[in-house]
Amino acid sequence: SQTIHQWPATLVQPVGSPLSLECTVEGTSNPNLYWYRQAAGRGLQLLFYSVGIGQISSEVPQNLSASRPQDRQFILSSKKLLLSDSGFYLCAWIPRTGLHEQYFGPGTRLTVT
Amino acid sequence: KQEVTQIPAALSVPEGENLVLNCSFTDSAIYNLQWFRQDPGKGLTSLLLIQSSQREQTSGRLNASLDKSSGRSTLYIAASQPGDSATYLCAVRAQGGSEKLVFGKGTKLTVNP
Repeated sequence: SQTIHQWPATLVQPVGSPLSLECTVEGTSNPNLYWYRQAAGRGLQLLFYSVGIGQISSEVPQNLSASRPQDRQFILSSKKLLLSDSGFYLCAWIPRTGLHEQYFGPGTRLTVT
Repeated sequence: KQEVTQIPAALSVPEGENLVLNCSFTDSAIYNLQWFRQDPGKGLTSLLLIQSSQREQTSGRLNASLDKSSGRSTLYIAASQPGDSATYLCAVRAQGGSEKLVFGKGTKLTVNP
């Protein structure tokens, strides 16, 4: 069966510090991968998605970046965090075959202080 | 540009009541529609996926319907229980190979014992 992991689960970082969030999917090959952010009182915002290794599409211009160094690994990064980067970050995936149902990870709660 | 609206934003009902959550979308050219559940501080859990050629899907006490021509979907919850309390989100995926889902902002459901 397929499983998606995100770490860390929670993170408190000062403004201006770097960020690296990791997402790994198990039990599937060549999935589409997604990073979303959910800020307090706001909806789910798509940040990046990837259809393959090294292929990243950015939805929102900002100080975040994403990389996909391996087929089932998706990383969200920042060189310098802003207060506005606080939020709940969710990784998700969609299999290339079957019903194309989207599945989500448990999320990372990021607080920038 | 596809827009997804969920009404009401919040709903409070007594235990045992049957209820309907609404989702509307502006562009009827969709590939599929998915309903999710999100508990506080958690990731999204997929409840039901309806392909564009389908009219409804059922899982236990949940029934989701889709009317593409009118741009509407409903999630019916029978015999609601306190454990059903959560935020329910719908998302649509466009036809034509789009890799992105467009989410509504959700309906926060509270079922009172």
